[in-house]
Amino acid sequence: GDSVTQTEGLVTLTEGLPVMLNCTYQTIYSNPFLFWYVQHLNESPRLLLKSFTDNKRTEHQGFHATLHKSSSSFHLQKSSAQLSDSALYYCALAGGYKVVFGSGTRLLVSP
Amino acid sequence: GALVYQYPRRTICKSGTSMRMECQAVGFQATSVAWYRQSPQKTFELIALSTVNSAIKYEQNFTQEKFPISHPNLSFSSMTVLNAYLEDRGLYLCGAWDRENSDYTFGSGTRLLVI
Repeated sequence: GDSVTQTEGLVTLTEGLPVMLNCTYQTIYSNPFLFWYVQHLNESPRLLLKSFTDNKRTEHQGFHATLHKSSSSFHLQKSSAQLSDSALYYCALAGGYKVVFGSGTRLLVSP
Repeated sequence: GALVYQYPRRTICKSGTSMRMECQAVGFQATSVAWYRQSPQKTFELIALSTVNSAIKYEQNFTQEKFPISHPNLSFSSMTVLNAYLEDRGLYLCGAWDRENSDYTFGSGTRLLVI
């Protein structure tokens, strides 16, 4: 079945450093949708980025990701981390009317 | 644009009682609605996928007897958590595929606390 693998556990960064959260996937669908969601404490997840176009960079709120079907990847990046970026990040794959989520990566940005 | 309204946002129920949550799709036809659960400190698990005029498909570890779902039309779906216990607490999300706009939209979530 479909699956999503993302950077495990906790990623700690100092403010100002670049962010890179990895996401790879497996799917039977040739045109999957890939998403990044951000979830702050006690809140519902909020859509950060989405893409279904191969090799096209998508950007939002300083974050960017490019779907690479050749490597089945959709890594999340940001050039400079901010304190407010501290949150839980989920990579997710949509195919066949349902979404499969990765296990989540907690990003902690410190001063 | 496509929106999914989910309610209630937060609910508390006594152990052994049941609670129902609802999702309303606005601006698109929700042919298929999926329900997910995020237990504390965990990721989102698919509970079931419901398609209008088709049988509801439950994932392993989730059953219709515990999580009955109703999906009577292209804009509404509800799910009930029967006999809720501590292990049922968490955030429940509904999500639907907007075929016309090639987009997937989630509801705002229902946070269930069992006491």
